[in-house]
Amino acid sequence: QKEVEQNSGPLSVPEGAIASLNCTYSDRGSQSFFWYRQYSGKSPELIMFIYSNGDKEDGRFTAQLNKASQYVSLLIRDSQPSDSATYLCAVSSGYSTLTFGKGTMLLVSP
Amino acid sequence: EADIYQTPRYLVIGTGKKITLECSQTMGHDKMYWYQQDPGMELHLIHYSYGVNSTEKGDLSSESTVSRIRTEHFPLTLESARPSHTSQYLCASSESGSLYEQYFGPGTRLTVT
Repeated sequence: QKEVEQNSGPLSVPEGAIASLNCTYSDRGSQSFFWYRQYSGKSPELIMFIYSNGDKEDGRFTAQLNKASQYVSLLIRDSQPSDSATYLCAVSSGYSTLTFGKGTMLLVSP
Repeated sequence: EADIYQTPRYLVIGTGKKITLECSQTMGHDKMYWYQQDPGMELHLIHYSYGVNSTEKGDLSSESTVSRIRTEHFPLTLESARPSHTSQYLCASSESGSLYEQYFGPGTRLTVT
């Protein structure tokens, strides 16, 4: 059974701080890793993906992957109240489907 | 970014009715997916398709059925709606290959009374 684990939160950070969201996965054969943002009542929106070990930066977002530790994280710099949402980690193991975590709720206070 | 559409966005219907939730995408993606998500809960994959005439059941047992007659269209049907079917239904699509991300439609919020 492939599993993707996330702390459900809520993770509370003040505006302007760095938010760090973490995800672990069970399948060592996992190949690609995705972060989605989901606002309450809305559908998931892709914000980052990463395939290789190391860091990948896109604006205020940085995805980090460590395949040896089976760990992927998302850093959000200069957090804004508009970043308050649930962040879903998703993992592909080389098949057609993604395995999603349950998500971490992020709350950014002004 | 994929353009993926779902209709209706909201549906309130009585028990026993047959309903079809529509999903269409204009990006020519081979793969399409249906997820079910209750408020504040995780996503559950209920059906997916590799392409035309291909359908597979997902991780969550569902009383719904799907069809894939055209690449761009992946409707989900409930033959007899029940209150337990009340949920949000999300459609997604992706390109062929295992490394490609899924893009989600806006969802259909279904309420069965």
